[in-house]
Amino acid sequence: GAGVSQTPSNKVTEKGKYVELRCDPISGHTALYWYRQSLGQGPEFLIYFQGTGAADDSGLPNDRFFAVRPEGSVSTLKIQRTERGDSAVYLCASSLRGGSSAYTGELFFGEGSRLTVL
Amino acid sequence: GDSVTQMEGPVTLSEEAFLTINCTYTATGYPSLFWYVQYPGEGLQLLLKATKADDKGSNKGFEATYRKETTSFHLEKGSVQVSDSAVYFCALTDSGAGSYQLTFGKGTKLSVIP
Repeated sequence: GAGVSQTPSNKVTEKGKYVELRCDPISGHTALYWYRQSLGQGPEFLIYFQGTGAADDSGLPNDRFFAVRPEGSVSTLKIQRTERGDSAVYLCASSLRGGSSAYTGELFFGEGSRLTVL
Repeated sequence: GDSVTQMEGPVTLSEEAFLTINCTYTATGYPSLFWYVQYPGEGLQLLLKATKADDKGSNKGFEATYRKETTSFHLEKGSVQVSDSAVYFCALTDSGAGSYQLTFGKGTKLSVIP
């Protein structure tokens, strides 16, 4: 597609349930990032993929959060045993190259997946 | 750690008014600085950037100058339009520290009224 696509756009779930959020980056972009944006806050880094591997997952808040990118394109963010504090907009971004373009900050963001945990 | 502080909103201006959104930063290395914008119903997009001290980034009539001495990167526009209504985020990435993460401020919502 022309831009970064994220599905679902909205997800409402109950506390304790499992959730998957999908990101389809711009074709040819090797770097993929997940950010989380809570209400009234700026986006916060979660994880960065270069190709298939997670180059940095230092932003994942705990072991309930996990992300994969098995073929170096689409990525899935997985949240187990959801908690009300996980409610936020989860943003995915991609860029053409890994470290070098990341240093220039030219990331292309999707519209986000809004997660609400009741 | 790195941080970005930007003026709190919301900011409401009349069309053709002058805009300033303040942004200051703290970083351990040599950051590159950015302004991202989020229009209603759209994803974040890069507005402008500056990669070293005294650089001026500009785009769509917006400007920001990288001021190392004051650790600032204030966003300005001489005459705002209704179409500029959006949320603006100041951000940095600290390549000198070997980081590729973007650190964002909290965002400033701008509303421009006709």
